[in-house]
This record gives sequence, structure tokens and C-alpha cells, in this order.
Amino acid sequence: NAGVTQTPKFRVLKTGQSMTLLCAQDMNHEYMYWYRQDPGMGLRLIHYSVGEGTTAKGEVPDGYNVSRLKNQNFLLGLESAAPSQTSVYFCASSYGGLVYEQYFGPGTRLTVT
Amino acid sequence: SQQGEEDPQALSIQEGENATMNCSYKTSINNLQWYRQNSGRGLVHLILIRSNEREKHSGRLRVTLDTSKKSSSLLITASRAADTASYFCATDRRNNDMRFGAGTRLTVKP
Repeated sequence: NAGVTQTPKFRVLKTGQSMTLLCAQDMNHEYMYWYRQDPGMGLRLIHYSVGEGTTAKGEVPDGYNVSRLKNQNFLLGLESAAPSQTSVYFCASSYGGLVYEQYFGPGTRLTVT
Repeated sequence: SQQGEEDPQALSIQEGENATMNCSYKTSINNLQWYRQNSGRGLVHLILIRSNEREKHSGRLRVTLDTSKKSSSLLITASRAADTASYFCATDRRNNDMRFGAGTRLTVKP
């Protein structure tokens, strides 16, 4: 089992560029999440999905879009990157809702100049 | 806004000592989880405690929950250098939204 994988690991964007972060899990989990982590802060939820074809907003959704194409994959898109989106992005998955532990990917470090 | 807040922000101890980290939260919860993050890595789940539980053990970890005080503590006994990491508490909220604190940075010196 690979668990939760994220691509890419690192990326540098110029302001206004777009990109998509890919998250994949092989545990057949229904729930998937995208978080961002900024220095000195805990993780903040961007968007989440409770199953294929579903998405919902989290705490900080502005500037991001998501899609859950298959149960295994959860994509995070930045349409027009801004320096404020410089962060480390983590994907996570879980079997069910918040009564279950979340499994995290290794993270994507994104810098927007 | 963060739901959980860990205390202290940083903790440095010698190998073999016990480490205690605290988490306070503001609104009622159904459960509280603790996670560990090694530098440059994703978070790893340590333990989940439900609101009707007061104490839970897992190996060298002991977690307590006091819902009347809206607080939890994580105790790591007989710490090892490999325990050096950041530790986060996370509380559930409505709509599948889990809120993490800013974490406690633990350093265990060999």
C-alpha cells in the first residue's frame, strides 16, 4: 500500500499562473481533504470530499477549486496563484468522517513569487 | 480560526524524561485527536479520544480529556530522541471540519 501520495513535491509559480495538485489514495477511503500549513500555524482545511463527485468548502476555500474524479483521486486547483498561497499543502483521507483517523500525504511545498 | 491551542509552543527535554503537552479548545466536541509531524513530513495519527472518555493509553502515550475544562493533555513517557517532532491536537466541528492547533514543538536531547 502506498497510502496517500501527492504530486508534485515542490513547485514554484509566478503570480497569476495556474496549477493542479494531485492527491491519490489506495485505501478505498470515502473522505478526502486538502489542507494548507503556514509557519507557526496548524493545518487549515481548504476543501473536502465525502465521496466520488462530491466536494465541499472548508475553512479557507477562496482561490482554490477541487474535483473528485474517482474515489482514489482528489485534485486541488489554483486558477490564478497569489503570493498569499505560498504554503505547504497536505492531502489526507479517512474511512469515514471525523470519528476516524486521517492519513496524510507527504505534502507539496508551493512558492508563489 | 483555530479550535485547539497547544501549550507550550515549544518544549525541550532530555531523553528518558516525560513530556506533557496540553490542548485547550473553545466549543463542545465529539472527539479529539492527537497527531505527530516530523520535520518536512505529513502528519501521523497518534490517538483519538471520544468526548465520553477521560483517559486513553497507547504504548508510551497517555491522553486525558476534561470536557468541563475543554482541555486535553498528551503525556509521552520515557521520551526518546526519535520523539522529536511537532504535536498537534485536532477537534471535530460540524460539516466534517476538523480544526488543528498550532502545535507544540518537542525536542528530545540525547
